[in-house]
This record gives sequence, structure tokens and C-alpha cells, in this order.
Amino acid sequence: DAGVIQSPRHEVTEMGQEVTLRCKPISGHNSLFWYRQTMMRGLELLIYFNNNVPIDDSGMPEDRFSAKMPNASFSTLKIQPSEPRDSAVYFCASSLLTESAFFGQGTRLTVV
Amino acid sequence: DAKTTQPNSMESNEEEPVHLPCNHSTISGTDYIHWYRQLPSQGPEYVIHGLTSNVNNRMASLAIAEDRKSSTLILHRATLRDAAVYYCILREAGGYQKVTFGTGTKLQVIP
Repeated sequence: DAGVIQSPRHEVTEMGQEVTLRCKPISGHNSLFWYRQTMMRGLELLIYFNNNVPIDDSGMPEDRFSAKMPNASFSTLKIQPSEPRDSAVYFCASSLLTESAFFGQGTRLTVV
Repeated sequence: DAKTTQPNSMESNEEEPVHLPCNHSTISGTDYIHWYRQLPSQGPEYVIHGLTSNVNNRMASLAIAEDRKSSTLILHRATLRDAAVYYCILREAGGYQKVTFGTGTKLQVIP
């Protein structure tokens, strides 16, 4: 398996634009997590899904953020409209039940 | 979520063993202890996990206290490639549980 695949690896966008981050989890995994990492706040859990269903989105900063998982092999994290304070590295991870989680390489988002 | 406490940073000389401590005094009987590490500019990667008994794998060893209120990740011979932030987290067995990270321990390996 190629592991968790995230795209794009880097994204630079202007304030106010819509940004969509994509994630392909490891085949067979049934839990998917979205994280955001900044120097100030560390690694924050934004939302996680089990069997494609959002279970806890309490970490989503505000209504500008939304996440979907239309099927077991794909998830998106959307920011609309984007703001400079959204600049961070966004990680996607997947796991099978409570086994170890595997992380993607991350998407570095810069909002100017 | 049960919480973990780790030192902010540690140093080790290259080729020497490293013992990274983690306190989890509120651990429940069904919580597994997981360790991850994050190398610079990479996503976190799984290192090891255990429930009650000590565990060994090719990367490290995990020593779990008898009362399970603390654990220690042991790197037997630190290399420069082991310089990373090490996270200790608890994850409940069974069901679906979120994976949340604390601040971790930043390990510096000195040549």
C-alpha cells in the first residue's frame, strides 16, 4: 500500500479564496482523522470519521471549515473563505479501529 | 480523554540509550499506550504501543509501570536520525476513539 496520500503537498492562495485539501486513506482502514499543525498550537485534531461518518468535529475552528468523506477511499477538508490565520500544515491520518494511525505527508497551506 | 505528561525536551549523546518518560496517572484499564514520533518536516509516525506488558520492536522498547500510571520509551542506541518530537498518547481499546496529541518531548541527539 502507498500509505495515506494527501494532495496537494503545497498550496498558496489569496485570502478569501476557497481551498480544498484531499486525502486518500489506506485501503481497509475505517477511521480517518484531519489535523492541523502550527508552531503556536501544535498538532490539533480537527475532525474524525468512522466508517465515513463524522463522529467528532469539535476541533473544527469555525463554520468556514468543512469536511466530507463521501466514500471509504476519499475525504476532503474545505476552507471557505480562507484567511491568513489558516496557514498551517494539515495532516490526514487513517487507522483500523484502535490500531496505530498512519499519517500522510501533509499539505502546507499558505494564505496571503 | 485521559491525559499524558511529558518533558518538553531532552538531550542524548549519539550511540547512547535514551529513556523518554510519560506520565498517565488517570489511565483507565482499557487504554492502550501509544508512542509516535515526528521527524522534521514529516507527519507523525507510529513507534510502538502496549497495554500492560513491556513491548519490543525494531524501532524501540516500551516499558510500562506495574500500576500503568507511567511508561518509558527506550531507544537503545540513539542516532542523529532519531532527533524528533516524541508523543505519548492513550487510546481506548474497542470502539472508535479519536487520537489526540499533547506537546510531546523534543529529543535532541548530540554527535
